[in-house]
Amino acid sequence: ELKVEQNPLFLSMQEGKNYTIYCNYSTTSDRLYWYRQDPGKSLESLFVLLSNGAVKQEGRLMASLDTKARLSTLHITAAVHDLSATYFCAVLQETSGSRLTFGEGTQLTVNP
Amino acid sequence: EAGVAQSPRYKIIEKRQSVAFWCNPISGHATLYWYQQILGQGPKLLIQFQNNGVVDDSQLPKDRFSAERLKGVDSTLKIQPAKLEDSAVYLCASSSYRAWGTEAFFGQGTRLTVV
Repeated sequence: ELKVEQNPLFLSMQEGKNYTIYCNYSTTSDRLYWYRQDPGKSLESLFVLLSNGAVKQEGRLMASLDTKARLSTLHITAAVHDLSATYFCAVLQETSGSRLTFGEGTQLTVNP
Repeated sequence: EAGVAQSPRYKIIEKRQSVAFWCNPISGHATLYWYQQILGQGPKLLIQFQNNGVVDDSQLPKDRFSAERLKGVDSTLKIQPAKLEDSAVYLCASSSYRAWGTEAFFGQGTRLTVV
């Protein structure tokens, strides 16, 4: 059974600093996704990573995928308060009928 | 493009009562998911449909939960009878994975409180 683990689960950082969130998964996957969730809201898609070595960037966030290591990272550059949210990675397995399995989430707080 | 629609947004019921949630996916999306998200946790898959057929319901508590997707479009998720531990947000998502690079889109969710 696929396991998706994120770390850290809680992250408090200062504005202007850089940090990385890690997402490890246990078996071969077909796609990896990053979602953002604000308190009381639904999940907003951030990135879709399709292949080994894929890198995508949007603003201060950059996501990458290493399928050999079964690892994805979400790098935050020069954090701002607006990035405070919970970030989830999710792994898709086509062999399981396109099952989408989520990690536990990383609750990010950016302090002024 | 209209998003995934869910209703109701909020529901409060007493334990042992029944409740139903409705989801209308994005037009043309063949895959529909129901997830349960307990406060502070990641979404947990309950059931997945491909058109109107069930692909995965291995984590659905079938003694109390049921779901259907008539005509491969709208879906309903029912809980009967509800327990206190069913208090959670129920998220519906849809996707069209045959298209390159697409992902699952989520509705606003239904927040269920069982008292």
